[in-house]
Amino acid sequence: DSGVTQTPKHLITATGQRVTLRCSPRSGDLSVYWYQQSLDQGLQFLIQYYNGEERAKGNILERFSAQQFPDLHSELNLSSLELGDSALYFCASSPSPGTPSYEQYFGPGTRLTVT
Amino acid sequence: GENVEQHPSTLSVQEGDSAVIKCTYSDSASNYFPWYKQELGKGPQLIIDIRSNVGEKKDQRIAVTLNKTAKHFSLHITETQPEDSAVYFCAATLPSGTYKYIFGTGTRLKVLA
Repeated sequence: DSGVTQTPKHLITATGQRVTLRCSPRSGDLSVYWYQQSLDQGLQFLIQYYNGEERAKGNILERFSAQQFPDLHSELNLSSLELGDSALYFCASSPSPGTPSYEQYFGPGTRLTVT
Repeated sequence: GENVEQHPSTLSVQEGDSAVIKCTYSDSASNYFPWYKQELGKGPQLIIDIRSNVGEKKDQRIAVTLNKTAKHFSLHITETQPEDSAVYFCAATLPSGTYKYIFGTGTRLKVLA
């Protein structure tokens, strides 16, 4: 158990809908990363937040957005869903700064199925 | 941008044999290289990592080697066991402040009993 929690575990929804995925990082970790894992694309970095602020963006669609709240949990919002958005979505958290810590610890993921 | 290639995509070994998975990265500024194991239905689990100032690191049956000149790094698993069967991912990160990972495409390892 990495200490990172994600809810829900599974999500089935229809095209055009909007969903919110939730992530709670490990205690004390300030950075949260979101990744998408699909069969043909592997693990792709989407976005990173650090202590409530967006730090970096990867291959994230404009239909997707995220935020990190004062209690450090993060939410990934996916809207106008398409069949191709079906994938596993992982969040990872990283130890606090001060020491050069690169390790990321992954949650169990949310499996999104768009029908 | 940074790119990480991983080979082989699938690997079958007999229990007790060794397994080697290789990755190549493109950006010579990359300085941290983690390896993750992902079992079915679970999130990736960090199993070992190496920084660019180190050439080799071992942890029991697992070792990672890094060749900065060739921009290669490899995962070595000795005395493989059936529970080693999983998908393994390598990754590289740049010291850019975000530390985002660029992942390889994964290797499905099957250890045959």
